[in-house]
Amino acid sequence: EPEVTQTPSHQVTQMGQEVILRCVPISNHLYFYWYRQILGQKVEFLVSFYNNEISEKSEIFDDQFSVERPDGSNFTLKIRSTKLEDSAMYFCASRGTEQTNYGYTFGSGTRLTVV
Amino acid sequence: DQQVKQNSPSLSVQEGRISILNCDYTNSMFDYFLWYKKYPAEGPTFLISISSIKDKNEDGRFTVFLNKSAKHLSLHIVPSQPGDSAVYFCAAYPLGGSQGNLIFGKGTKLSVKP
Repeated sequence: EPEVTQTPSHQVTQMGQEVILRCVPISNHLYFYWYRQILGQKVEFLVSFYNNEISEKSEIFDDQFSVERPDGSNFTLKIRSTKLEDSAMYFCASRGTEQTNYGYTFGSGTRLTVV
Repeated sequence: DQQVKQNSPSLSVQEGRISILNCDYTNSMFDYFLWYKKYPAEGPTFLISISSIKDKNEDGRFTVFLNKSAKHLSLHIVPSQPGDSAVYFCAAYPLGGSQGNLIFGKGTKLSVKP
């Protein structure tokens, strides 16, 4: 079964440093997403990406965040200057156009710890 | 503003019994709903969905019921198994399954005891 792959599984970084979280979505999917879950809280939408541009972003996704699909396979989330409150599980997801369930396929997540 | 609410953070059920997980929503524009299951250290996994034109969708041991007038949906698992122990998230599409973005509830942690 096709999978969404995320690397690394765990990233520890110092406050103020830049991090890049990587995702390889399912190859024939067209819609890409980043979500995050702070420990003990709900899964929150960050950004959606379609046709090589951001289609929607949440209030969380401020100027410190950016996304890119540099080579047609990877989908990356960059945080320019990490803050302690950026510590969370970050999930990448992708979706095709099939109408069987409209569900996303999520990756296993990257646990980001900002120290 | 919590548009999708799961008011029970946890639920404990005996193996073989029915598990009922509840979800309420506030946005009447939602018309497609999904349940996701999440194990620790894994991403959410799609479980079952329902369109607003239906009031019930069944897939094996899992049934989702939708009450549009009450803006309420529930997930029934019967019989419950220990492997069902996970966090269950209710989610909704505000744009009816287009490129809209899923809105998640906070989740309910289900524990199925042998």
